[in-house]
Amino acid sequence: GAGVSQSPRYKVAKRGQDVALRCDPISGHVSLFWYQQALGQGPEFLTYFQNEAQLDKSGLPSDRFFAERPEGSVSTLKIQRTQQEDSAVYLCASSLGTRYYEPQYFGPGTRLTVT
Amino acid sequence: ELKVEQNPLFLSMQEGKNYTIYCNYSTTSDRLYWYRQDPGKSLESLFVLLSNGAVKQEGRLMASLDTKARLSTLHITAAVHDLSATYFCAVYLMTGNQFYFGTGTSLTVIP
Repeated sequence: GAGVSQSPRYKVAKRGQDVALRCDPISGHVSLFWYQQALGQGPEFLTYFQNEAQLDKSGLPSDRFFAERPEGSVSTLKIQRTQQEDSAVYLCASSLGTRYYEPQYFGPGTRLTVT
Repeated sequence: ELKVEQNPLFLSMQEGKNYTIYCNYSTTSDRLYWYRQDPGKSLESLFVLLSNGAVKQEGRLMASLDTKARLSTLHITAAVHDLSATYFCAVYLMTGNQFYFGTGTSLTVIP
């Protein structure tokens, strides 16, 4: 079966533009996470969904960041008025249930470059 | 705020040698994960450690967890080139179902 997919894989945006990053989790996976990974760093938590409910968005760096998962499957991370500091790889991960011991399956990421 | 530190950040080792990567964290947790990331690729789950004293082994890699010391180790035995990658540990906090990742250890195995 297919793993977690993300699109686009690469995105170049001019400062001030809005971008939308898509995540298709593994079918049937309840939990979905978004992470931001800066160059040479570990992933940093952004937000967590359980089905369509966004249970934690404490990691979103500013109100320019918005995430949704309206039907409990595909998720979109939107960044408004992009800034250079938003340049990073955005990773999506999903897991089957809500148990902490379940492995997270990561997508390939979207590399965002803001010029 | 939970801090997760890995040591060393960069590791260059010869094939056949043994070495240990350390992961220290600042807040009580008994849930720790190890991931591997190849250049330009995403993260692959290696180990899930769920209790004090947990030890798991897969091939040349062995991970352990000491929750009292807030320390996990990833031991590499008789390294081979295929193990070259960046290794991350991640600590789970039940509050908010959040995972906190370390800074990563970039491992290069030299033939």
